[in-house]
Amino acid sequence: EVQLVESGGGLVQPGGSLRLSCAASGFTFSSYWMHWVRQVPGKGLVWVSRINIDGSSTSYADSVKGRFTISRDNAKNTLYLQMNSLRAEDTAVYYCARESGDYVLNDYWGQGTLVTVSS
Amino acid sequence: QLVLTQSPSASASLGASVKLTCTLSSGHSSYAIAWHQQQPEKGPRYLMKLNSAGSHTKGDGIPDRFSGSSSGAERYLTISSLQSEDEADYYCQTWGTGMVFGGGTKLTVL
Repeated sequence: EVQLVESGGGLVQPGGSLRLSCAASGFTFSSYWMHWVRQVPGKGLVWVSRINIDGSSTSYADSVKGRFTISRDNAKNTLYLQMNSLRAEDTAVYYCARESGDYVLNDYWGQGTLVTVSS
Repeated sequence: QLVLTQSPSASASLGASVKLTCTLSSGHSSYAIAWHQQQPEKGPRYLMKLNSAGSHTKGDGIPDRFSGSSSGAERYLTISSLQSEDEADYYCQTWGTGMVFGGGTKLTVL
């Protein structure tokens, strides 16, 4: 069974940093591109970042470019999102999601971890 | 610019059928999409991939009550024999220069 379990969320002050993790199991993690998607409570889904299978290629939404860094450790089956210079508008539930093998679409999601940026 | 448009809300009675629509912006009618369901207080759940020909591939464990179809720039999700647990937000998704989501449709089961 495919499982994606996020952790690392919490309360952080504006300007602070946080690193999210996503532990993957039930599939060959190193064979799949992965994504981070976020959702402000009560609002819609917004794509954050994408990484290829070996971490050599990444892409970001304009809203986080230069502040967030996506990475992965295939030996640990874990995806990361390093978030720096956090702003109030980064407050959201962050989901990791697997990319389907044939289309650039997500076919499995985690349960999410809440990040709150507030003083 | 690639945009996915969804109606904000829909409703249908228990046991009935409902058809939700996701419209691709001009010039993007050939794009495949995915449909996702998000029940209250839960993470999204992948339902299916749907291409421009109407061929769809469902996710693991998705009941036969869920089906997809296409017409031009429109992608449809049909849910038949509505159950109470189908009350949820439904999002369509596709990829352009980044991942794009529709605004979501909140389905109420009456």
